Amino acid sequence: EVQLVESGGGLVQPGGSLRLSCAASGFTFSSSWMHWVRQGPGKGLVWVSRISTDGTITTYADFVKGRFTISRDNAKNTLFLQMDSLRAEDTAVYYCARASTTLDDWGQGTLVTVSS
Amino acid sequence: DIVMTQSPDSLAVSLGERATINCKSSQSVFFSSNNRNYLAWYQQKPGQPPKVLIYWASTRESGVPDRFSGSGSGTDFTLTISSLQAEDVAVYYCHQYYNYPYTFGQGTKLEIQ
Repeated sequence: EVQLVESGGGLVQPGGSLRLSCAASGFTFSSSWMHWVRQGPGKGLVWVSRISTDGTITTYADFVKGRFTISRDNAKNTLFLQMDSLRAEDTAVYYCARASTTLDDWGQGTLVTVSS
Repeated sequence: DIVMTQSPDSLAVSLGERATINCKSSQSVFFSSNNRNYLAWYQQKPGQPPKVLIYWASTRESGVPDRFSGSGSGTDFTLTISSLQAEDVAVYYCHQYYNYPYTFGQGTKLEIQ
């Protein structure tokens, strides 16, 4: 069974940083492209970033480019999202997702709140 | 960016009746080289992550009840629930994975009438 468990969320002040993690199990992590998608409170789904199987290809939404960095550790079956220069509008639940055909499997999400 | 627009924003349907949600993309998500539409539908219940129902516009994910069906091609797509059940109350999103950035519709909230 595919399991994705996000962690690292919390309350941070504007301009601060957080590092999210997504622990993967139940599938061959090193063979899967991975994504981050976020959902603001009461809002819809917004794609954030993706990373290739070996980490050499990364893509970002324009609104996080230069502030967020996606990475992975295939030896530890873990996906990361380093978030810097956080803004109030980054407040959201952040989901990691495994891509096979589409975004096939999702974690439960971790809440990031950016507020002073 | 491809803009995905769903209609309606909310929908109330009686139990056992048909529910239809539409999704329109600002440009085609059909890839002629493999004859596929890069369009998926997700269901999200309160407090839960999204769950994929349909991909390639009309292929039902394993384990999804056959009352859920997807149709359409190019820029116009439809999710149909043939006979609404109480457990279908949720928000439904269409999603294009044709190119980056991936984008989603704004969501359609489905309730029981």
